[in-house]
Amino acid sequence: AQKVTQAQTEISVVEKEDVTLDCVYETRDTTYYLFWYKQPPSGELVFLIRRNSFDEQNEISGRYSWNFQKSTSSFNFTITASQVVDSAVYFCALSRGGYQKVTFGTGTKLQVIP
Amino acid sequence: DGGITQSPKYLFRKEGQNVTLSCEQNLNHDAMYWYRQDPGQGLRLIYYSQIVNDFQKGDIAEGYSVSREKKESFPLTVTSAQKNPTAFYLCASSKPETSGAYNEQFFGPGTRLTVL
Repeated sequence: AQKVTQAQTEISVVEKEDVTLDCVYETRDTTYYLFWYKQPPSGELVFLIRRNSFDEQNEISGRYSWNFQKSTSSFNFTITASQVVDSAVYFCALSRGGYQKVTFGTGTKLQVIP
Repeated sequence: DGGITQSPKYLFRKEGQNVTLSCEQNLNHDAMYWYRQDPGQGLRLIYYSQIVNDFQKGDIAEGYSVSREKKESFPLTVTSAQKNPTAFYLCASSKPETSGAYNEQFFGPGTRLTVL
């Protein structure tokens, strides 16, 4: 069975601080895919990144960066110089690929205080 | 613009009534999905469909039904058999790569259903 754990339920930071959202996953598959989604107050989930299990390169996109470590089964997400617009619920997710089911974590609510 | 639409945004129903939630996509995606979101529980899969006229149960299909008569449409019916239907419902679609790799799912804006 697949499982995604986001231990941080809620995080509050002051604007311009850096913040890291943790994601730990469990799977017996050798090939799998990891995702991060952002859910702003409007409710729609916005795709942020997909990572394949065979690609452990970290990725940076503007103020966002992702650290994938297979050795610790973690896929952490860091926002640098946080902004109020970053306030949202962030979900980490795991899939086997193809049409297989996506398993979502319970989400981390990030509040950026101006 | 391509995307996924869900209607209505807010829906109220009386206990014991069936209600149908709409989901339409113009992304030409093959697969479509329905999720339910409750506070503190993340997203749980209700049903999914890989192709027209075919669909499979997810983790919490009891009390729900779907149809996939057109590629663009995947309506969800919440029946009176659903014990606790009040929730936020999200529809998604994806188009897996021909190599078998997995493309991300794109989500609609959601429908918030309240049973009175």
